[in-house]
Amino acid sequence: ETGVTQSPTHLIKTRGQQVTLRCSSQSGHNTVSWYQQALGQGPQFIFQYYREEENGRGNFPPRFSGLQFPNYSSELNVNALELDDSALYLCASSLDKDLGAFFGQGTRLTVV
Amino acid sequence: QKEVEQNSGPLSVPEGAIASLNCTYSDRVSQSFFWYRQYSGKSPELIMSIYSNGDKEDGRFTAQLNKASQYVSLLIRDSQPSDSATYLCAVNPLNTGANSKLTFGKGITLSVRP
Repeated sequence: ETGVTQSPTHLIKTRGQQVTLRCSSQSGHNTVSWYQQALGQGPQFIFQYYREEENGRGNFPPRFSGLQFPNYSSELNVNALELDDSALYLCASSLDKDLGAFFGQGTRLTVV
Repeated sequence: QKEVEQNSGPLSVPEGAIASLNCTYSDRVSQSFFWYRQYSGKSPELIMSIYSNGDKEDGRFTAQLNKASQYVSLLIRDSQPSDSATYLCAVNPLNTGANSKLTFGKGITLSVRP
């Protein structure tokens, strides 16, 4: 049990639609990162939020955006969904970098 | 060159054997190194972290780090069928003082034969 909860667990969307994925971190974890994991690949860093500000971004287009809220929850928004966006989306949080990132159970997004 | 590379998979070992999983990374300034275990259909689970050269042992798991050669490895002693999973190597490229912005390898699938 990592204390990181994601919703929904599964989602099917149509190409061109928009989607919002949610994450609830442990109390006190003021940093959250989002990752995309395609089938057969390792997770790829999307972006990180620290104290409600974006704090680093991976190689993802602007249609991937996020928000972090004061209550340790966060959102990942993806606009204009493409078929290649089908993946497992993972939220991770930790108190300190040296503790490593602890992942939620993920949201499996399928774009048809 | 890929930033974090895990080669030579999948790996199959008999129950009770030692499984050796290897990972190389390209960024010399990397400071923190992690091994995650991922069962099929589940999210990655942190099993080991290592920051200094040498070995770090935790139960049946030993992580080994060699910064000069830019590799990190994971040894699993007395392998059990329940160890069958994909093992992901992850590197924190910079000592940023903030949360991990991990770069992952592709993973290596381990199968332990009863």
